[in-house]
Amino acid sequence: QKEVEQNSGPLSVPEGAIASLNCTYSDRGSQSFFWYRQYSGKSPELIMFIYSNGDKEDGRFTAQLNKASQYVSLLIRDSQPSDSATYLCAVRNTGFQKLVFGTGTRLLVSP
Amino acid sequence: GAGVSQSPSNKVTEKGKDVELRCDPISGHTALYWYRQRLGQGLEFLIYFQGNSAPDKSGLPSDRFSAERTGESVSTLTIQRTQQEDSAVYLCASSLNANYNSPLHFGNGTRLTVT
Repeated sequence: QKEVEQNSGPLSVPEGAIASLNCTYSDRGSQSFFWYRQYSGKSPELIMFIYSNGDKEDGRFTAQLNKASQYVSLLIRDSQPSDSATYLCAVRNTGFQKLVFGTGTRLLVSP
Repeated sequence: GAGVSQSPSNKVTEKGKDVELRCDPISGHTALYWYRQRLGQGLEFLIYFQGNSAPDKSGLPSDRFSAERTGESVSTLTIQRTQQEDSAVYLCASSLNANYNSPLHFGNGTRLTVT
């Protein structure tokens, strides 16, 4: 079982819709969860992170965490074509050290 | 500096040669990480430095790979006797500390091509 799993996609949504990106993790002791966006040929850029159960909102982005289900998600409201990218879920393991990344979900937002 | 700086941005080398990649973290960041990303793949952890503690080298794929960091400053990743499978983007990241709520900030990467 991979430590962090994501559906590779592509996830296709029309402009203005809500995009829902999901991630599951295997280490029950994981403490914090990060979402990064990576455009083709570029390095990952941080969108937001969450470490408490529930929802955390930042602009058009909402991160949701359910530690009991070992599940974290990212919702993007009012999706724009410029949101088209690969979204990486990353989990900080029990030792609070390295971030373990999923392989990413490719999102395509069509005009 | 304003962000994580990596050099060179691109490196083409012949199989069997040694290469050295450099990373300059954000000023004041005590934690530094190296990741590798092969074409179309996810980020693969290589090594992690935190202050003066012993580095976590658990992700280094072979003894041809080594990395150093002096204090809380520049780090170099060295690959000896490069192989074609070493071709990838090597990403460096730093974080303020190793606390659970301290995110990583990435540099622009070094694209390594081994011919």
